[in-house]
Amino acid sequence: AQTVTQSQPEMSVQEAETVTLSCTYDTSESDYYLFWYKQPPSRQMILVIRQEAYKQQNATENRFSVNFQKAAKSFSLKISDSQLGDAAMYFCAYENNFNKFYFGSGTKLNVKP
Amino acid sequence: DTGVSQDPRHKITKRGQNVTFRCDPISEHNRLYWYRQTLGQGPEFLTYFQNEAQLEKSRLLSDRFSAERPKGSFSTLEIQRTEQGDSAMYLCASSPLGGSPLHFGNGTRLTVT
Repeated sequence: AQTVTQSQPEMSVQEAETVTLSCTYDTSESDYYLFWYKQPPSRQMILVIRQEAYKQQNATENRFSVNFQKAAKSFSLKISDSQLGDAAMYFCAYENNFNKFYFGSGTKLNVKP
Repeated sequence: DTGVSQDPRHKITKRGQNVTFRCDPISEHNRLYWYRQTLGQGPEFLTYFQNEAQLEKSRLLSDRFSAERPKGSFSTLEIQRTEQGDSAMYLCASSPLGGSPLHFGNGTRLTVT
């Protein structure tokens, strides 16, 4: 079974600064998908960014980008120009070949004004 | 796209009672997932469907948990003889096909007293 590990339970960043959230995963599959989700307090979980494992190019969505290292099984999320609205729980997720999703334990991001 | 809808939003029940939750996925999505989330943790897989077929049920789930998706539309999750350890947020999500991100509902928060 696949596992997803987020080793940073909580992180803080100053507004307008950059922060990187870490994620590693364990799998024997060669093709899969990786995701970062954001869950604001008491609100719905929403997609931040998606990465296909067969693509070497790192995904980017506005201020959000990933550093995907397939050999190292690492998938970190970089948030540039952090905003107060970025404060939330962030979850890394892995989708396997059977379309089953595995989630990490999450990283709570605090943004300081 | 009206989003994934879950009902009820909150449920308080006494230990030993049965509860049933409903999830209405996005209409064109043929995959539907149930997850359980406790405070400060990532979503834990419960079960998932492709159309009306239940593809997998977590081995962590006891026989008190059952889910259905009649006609491949809405889904219900039933918990029989609830226990205090069942207190959690129950999340439903749907997706149209493999590699697509999950779209989450707002969840049903269950409190067992």
